[in-house]
Formats: sequence, C-alpha cells, structure tokens
Amino acid sequence: DSGVTQTPKHLITATGQRVTLRCSPRSGDLSVYWYQQSLDQGLQFLIQYYNGEERAKGNILERFSAQQFPDLHSELNLSSLELGDSALYFCASSAGNQETQYFGPGTRLLVL
Amino acid sequence: EDKVVQSPLSLVVHEGDTVTLNCSYEVTNFRSLLWYKQEKKAPTFLFMLTSSGIEKKSGRLSSILDKKELFSILNITATQTGDSAIYLCAVLEYGNKLVFGAGTILRVKS
Repeated sequence: DSGVTQTPKHLITATGQRVTLRCSPRSGDLSVYWYQQSLDQGLQFLIQYYNGEERAKGNILERFSAQQFPDLHSELNLSSLELGDSALYFCASSAGNQETQYFGPGTRLLVL
Repeated sequence: EDKVVQSPLSLVVHEGDTVTLNCSYEVTNFRSLLWYKQEKKAPTFLFMLTSSGIEKKSGRLSSILDKKELFSILNITATQTGDSAIYLCAVLEYGNKLVFGAGTILRVKS
C-alpha cells in the first residue's frame, strides 16, 4: 500500500459523458501526478500539480483538465468521453518537485 | 522525440534463474532513471538512479546506470514466482516529465 488513494476503483460510462477521478496523495506529499495507461499507449504522463499549482504538462488532451485543492487532493476531469479514453488512470504523489513518485491503485475507466 | 526502450519485451524463466532487463533512453533533459514493478495494478517503486556507475541493491534486485551509453540494467538473481510482473523503466526529465518504456513482462515458472 503506497498511501495514495484513488476513487472510484472502476467507472463505466457512455461516450459523450463527463467523469471526475479523485486522488488523495500520501500524507505530507505536495506533488500529485496523473497518468493514463492503455494497452496500445503504455503509461503516459498527463499532468503534475505541486502545492496547488500546475507544474508540468504532458500528453493531456484539451478535453481533460485537473486541479489540486488546498487540502492537496486532486481531481482529474474527463469530458466528452470517447471510446479511446478507456484506460487505467493512475495518480502518483511525491514529497517535493523532483522526488520519487508513489502510485495509487488506479481507476479503471471503461467508455461504452 | 524522447523515448525509452526496454528489452526484451517478454521472457519466461525458471525459479532460481538470473535475469537481466535492459533499458535504453534518448531524452533531452535527463535527470534520473527509475525502475518500477507492476503486478496486478499500480506500479511500485524499485530504484532511482541518478549517477553513473553506482549500483543500487535491494535484496535480490540490483540496478546500474550508464549515462555515457544511455542505458540501465535491472538484475534479478535467484528468481522466484513472486518476481513475475511487468518491469517498467522510466526517465525523469528536468521539468518533471516522466517518460516510460513499454515494459518487460517477466514470468517465473516453478
């Protein structure tokens, strides 16, 4: 158990819908990272927040957005969902800005 | 384009064997190289390597980085069935981007 929690564990929804994935970092960690893992793309970095501010951006689509709240939990919002968005979405946290990242259990999203 | 290439893609060994997993990279702003083990769900951290030539060791696992030749290896000695997993190599760049390889699938047969 890494100490990073993610909800929900599984999510099934339809194309065109919007979902919110939630992540609570390890106690004391200031950085939160979001990743997408699909069968054909592997693990892809989406975005990082550090102490409430966006710090780095990866391969995140315009339809996706994220934020980190004052209590340091983070949410990833996925809108206008497409079949290709079906994937495992991981959140990771680290103490600082360049530290080792610890991964949560992931949210499995299935778009039908 | 930044890339991390792992080899082999997959291997099957018997318990007790020693395996070597390879990771080569081409990235613009290298900071560190990380190894993760992924079983059913989330990747779990194994090693972070920043300096060339210094071996990191944890039990039967060890890893080393060669920054001149741009590669790293992960060794597992006396493999056990519990070592069966996907092993992911990732490069952390300045700017906090973590670029993952496709992984090596290891299966250890009893």
